[in-house]
Amino acid sequence: DIVMTQGVLPNPVPSGESASITCRSSKSLVYKDGKTYLNWFLQRPGQSPQLLTYWMSTRASGVSDRFSGSGSGTYFTLKISRVRAEDAGVYYCQQVREYPHTFGAGTKLELK
Amino acid sequence: QVQLQQSGAELVKPGSSVKISCKASGYTFTSYDMHWIKQQPGNGLEWIGWIYPGNGNTKYNQKFNGKATLTADKSSSTAYMQLSSLTSEDSAVYFCARWNYGSYDLDYWGQGVMVTVSS
Repeated sequence: DIVMTQGVLPNPVPSGESASITCRSSKSLVYKDGKTYLNWFLQRPGQSPQLLTYWMSTRASGVSDRFSGSGSGTYFTLKISRVRAEDAGVYYCQQVREYPHTFGAGTKLELK
Repeated sequence: QVQLQQSGAELVKPGSSVKISCKASGYTFTSYDMHWIKQQPGNGLEWIGWIYPGNGNTKYNQKFNGKATLTADKSSSTAYMQLSSLTSEDSAVYFCARWNYGSYDLDYWGQGVMVTVSS
């Protein structure tokens, strides 16, 4: 199985600052079509996960442009600009390159 | 609008089985895979598998073979997951989520069902 390893944030993050969440995969997530099969989700307290980006860097419908995904085949970053109270929660990366799909353990974002 | 409405919380005894549901609306149920995801208290997310309601095809995480069984009822646009031989390790919130083929992601999620296994 592909192992997804997420970094830790130096919480709390001051409102208005930027935050970068990292995720590393044990195998390249680039498929032969050139796309990188890495998704990011945010789970706010008491809620279901919400899709933020797919194919590593494409924002889902309705997602603020303050969220931007980037990376290579095995190392990925989700950057959140001008952090706001509504961004608090746990962020998960997920690989959908191969089965079984696997998630990172999550990175908690707390705001000051 | 797309909605996935899951059934209510369950309190079940060790060794028993439970069947939880996920009723879909706002889209063509038979045209999208339905995925299931497990979240243990305070823990991350674990992918269980998917079912394609159009023909009943399934794909499981090997870890859940024999534990989870996915089915779907086209007439009611409802997907089901049965969990068998329950132990305390099965106590978790279970989510259903729609798979979007176009972008290879889980674009809509149910609200989750809490299953508690306790004697």
